[in-house]
Amino acid sequence: KAGVTQTPRYLIKTRGQQVTLSCSPISGHRSVSWYQQTPGQGLQFLFEYFSETQRNKGNFPGRFSGRQFSNSRSEMNVSTLELGDSALYLCASSGDRTYEQYFGPGTRLTVT
Amino acid sequence: AQSVTQLDSQVPVFEEAPVELRCNYSSSVSVYLFWYVQYPNQGLQLLLKYLSGSTLVKSINGFEAEFNKSQTSFHLRKPSVHISDTAEYFCAVSDGATNKLIFGTGTLLAVQP
Repeated sequence: KAGVTQTPRYLIKTRGQQVTLSCSPISGHRSVSWYQQTPGQGLQFLFEYFSETQRNKGNFPGRFSGRQFSNSRSEMNVSTLELGDSALYLCASSGDRTYEQYFGPGTRLTVT
Repeated sequence: AQSVTQLDSQVPVFEEAPVELRCNYSSSVSVYLFWYVQYPNQGLQLLLKYLSGSTLVKSINGFEAEFNKSQTSFHLRKPSVHISDTAEYFCAVSDGATNKLIFGTGTLLAVQP
């Protein structure tokens, strides 16, 4: 099976802009989770989607949002970008009742 | 609330020496425990998992971890490391009710020749 794919791999944006990141899970996986990784805060959970519904949410401001499509692909959006949003954004997918998450290579977002 | 502590931010070790990366967790409910490895400029790879059953779990590349409920630990060990094991290792916990993972701050394993 193909692994989790994320596009784009690298992105440079300016403060105040918005950005959309995409994640395609492993075939058959219906759960998609998003994480932010920064040197200062480490790995932090953003949200999880399952069957097009947000099932869980971390402690991030409303500027961070996501959605999931019927084919389980997911997107996350960050509006009004701030310098502190510079991070590696990781997407992970999981099969039903397996509890293991498989991560994609990440999208490196730089906000200038 | 759940939390994970990885006390060592960096562990230098010589090639072929044994290594232990420590992980302690805090949780009021039953937990699932994981070790992930991250190589430079890559995502996370699942190394080991404890869900239930035998408290000693092993990976295909020689790592093992033991779940100790009384000490709330899930330390990662390898009897003989290779240069290629150089990476950052993250311990994570989940309550199993959702797929939300709580990660430790990571331990950089630096294997020297």
